[in-house]
Amino acid sequence: SQTIHQWPATLVQPVGSPLSLECTVEGTSNPNLYWYRQAAGRGLQLLFYSVGIGQISSEVPQNLSASRPQDRQFILSSKKLLLSDSGFYLCAWTRTGTETQYFGPGTRLLVL
Amino acid sequence: AQTVTQSQPEMSVQEAETVTLSCTYDTSENNYYLFWYKQPPSRQMILVIRQEAYKQQNATENRFSVNFQKAAKSFSLKISDSQLGDTAMYFCAFMKHAGANNLFFGTGTRLTVIP
Repeated sequence: SQTIHQWPATLVQPVGSPLSLECTVEGTSNPNLYWYRQAAGRGLQLLFYSVGIGQISSEVPQNLSASRPQDRQFILSSKKLLLSDSGFYLCAWTRTGTETQYFGPGTRLLVL
Repeated sequence: AQTVTQSQPEMSVQEAETVTLSCTYDTSENNYYLFWYKQPPSRQMILVIRQEAYKQQNATENRFSVNFQKAAKSFSLKISDSQLGDTAMYFCAFMKHAGANNLFFGTGTRLTVIP
């Protein structure tokens, strides 16, 4: 069966510090991968998606970047965090050619 | 652009009763998918049910069913025999048929099941 992992689960970072959130999928190959952000009391907003290694599409201009160094690994990064980067970050995956997205447990990020 | 609207920020239902959550969407696409996701206090998004727009038959998953009205662009979720474990945020989401399968979410409905 397929599983999706995210870490860390919770992160508290000062403004201006770097960020690296990791997402990995097990039990499948060549998945489509997605990063979403959920602000408090809001729905999810798509940040990045990837259909393959090194292929990243950005949906929203922001202070963040994404990379896919391996087939089942998706990383969300920032060089300098802003207060507005606080939120809940969710990674999701789909099998190529299918439409149902399955979500990871999420990372709660608080920027102080 | 696709938009998804959930007009009920909060709802409550007595345990064992039935509740319906509303969702409308706006799109110029003819083929697409619609989803309901549940987000319990743990905050992990869990798929509840999905509907293909080209199928006229409403999707059903155990106690969960939808009322899909394509012409009205309406996609409501009915929860029968509500259980305490159904307490969660419920998000309606839209996906175009083609492309990278990006999900567009509504703002959610917080459902509380009262014992």
